[in-house]
Amino acid sequence: AQTVTQSQPEMSVQEAETVTLSCTYDTSENNYYLFWYKQPPSRQMILVIRQEAYKQQNATENRFSVNFQKAAKSFSLKISDSQLGDTAMYFCAFGSIQGAQKLVFGQGTRLTINP
Amino acid sequence: EPEVTQTPSHQVTQMGQEVILRCVPISNHLYFYWYRQILGQKVEFLVSFYNNEISEKSEIFDDQFSVERPDGSNFTLKIRSTKLEDSAMYFCASSRDDSTKLGSTDTQYFGPGTRLTVL
Repeated sequence: AQTVTQSQPEMSVQEAETVTLSCTYDTSENNYYLFWYKQPPSRQMILVIRQEAYKQQNATENRFSVNFQKAAKSFSLKISDSQLGDTAMYFCAFGSIQGAQKLVFGQGTRLTINP
Repeated sequence: EPEVTQTPSHQVTQMGQEVILRCVPISNHLYFYWYRQILGQKVEFLVSFYNNEISEKSEIFDDQFSVERPDGSNFTLKIRSTKLEDSAMYFCASSRDDSTKLGSTDTQYFGPGTRLTVL
């Protein structure tokens, strides 16, 4: 079974700073997908970025980028020029290409952007 | 932009009562999911649904739970006899994936959730 670990329960940075959230996972599969979801106080789950394991190039989405290290099973999220609206819980998730493709989530990192 | 919708946003019920949580997935999506999140904890998979049947379910999804797609648009989660520990946020999600395409997957889009409180 896959597991996802986020070792930083909470992080706090000043507005406009860059912050990196860590995520490691464990799987025996070779092809899979990784996601970062954001959960603001409204508790809706919003997709931030996704990475296909077969792609060597790290995914980017505006101010959000990932550092995907397949051998190390590491998938960190970098937020550049952080904004107050980035304040949220961030969940890393593993998606298998096999079976029903359920997502396995990490415990989450609570990120606070301070003015 | 199409989105997943869920009703109600908040449901309060008495222990032992039946509840039905409703979801309208994105219209061209084929896979449907229910997840739950107990307050302060991580999001947990409950069940996936494809081609009018359950594809996979977790150990949480016991006989008290059932899912249904009663028509072409709605996807429901029923809890037959609620327990205190069923209090959680329940998220519906859908994805476009066609499982006949080996090696494919697609992003799951989540609804805003239903907060279930069992008293």
